[in-house]
Amino acid sequence: GDSVTQMEGPVTLSEEAFLTINCTYTATGYPSLFWYVQYPGEGLQLLLKATKADDKGSNKGFEATYRKETTSFHLEKGSVQVSDSAVYFCALIEYTNAGKSTFGDGTTLTVKP
Amino acid sequence: EPEVTQTPSHQVTQMGQEVILRCVPISNHLYFYWYRQILGQKVEFLVSFYNNEISEKSEIFDDQFSVERPDGSNFTLKIRSTKLEDSAMYFCASRVDRAEQYFGPGTRLTVT
Repeated sequence: GDSVTQMEGPVTLSEEAFLTINCTYTATGYPSLFWYVQYPGEGLQLLLKATKADDKGSNKGFEATYRKETTSFHLEKGSVQVSDSAVYFCALIEYTNAGKSTFGDGTTLTVKP
Repeated sequence: EPEVTQTPSHQVTQMGQEVILRCVPISNHLYFYWYRQILGQKVEFLVSFYNNEISEKSEIFDDQFSVERPDGSNFTLKIRSTKLEDSAMYFCASRVDRAEQYFGPGTRLTVT
């Protein structure tokens, strides 16, 4: 079945540092890929998405590029802020049959001033 | 902007009791889902619902669980006899064809 593997956390960075959170996936077909962010005590917010190879999703300074050849969708941000502290989930959807989301384990990011 | 809503935001129940979690998906969406997240863990798929029937369910979704779309707007998850291990955040989601899922804010279920 489908699966998503995220780099193990937690990740602690200083403000203005560069962020990379690795995500790789396994899928039988051609999935769409997503990053969600979850702030403490809150729900899942869609951060960005990409639907085909070489697409780059971007939002709020975060970026991720759909790499079919390496089955990866790594999240990056050039300069993190304290307010970026949250849990980040990589996910995929294969639009066959039920089209459910498959999530990675989540990576906790803490940004220190 | 349209959004998925869920009620209640927090439900406390005793072990063995039945609970119903309610969701109102976005009105033109066709595919509906329930997920759960045990505190500090990953988000797990429970069930998907399309065209008034279950299209897929996970191993977690055993006979104690059921879903219903009773009136064309609400989408409910029922747990017949709650167990301590059912304590989790439950998220409802919906989507249109070949698009991202929109998640509700979640219902925190606490079973005592």
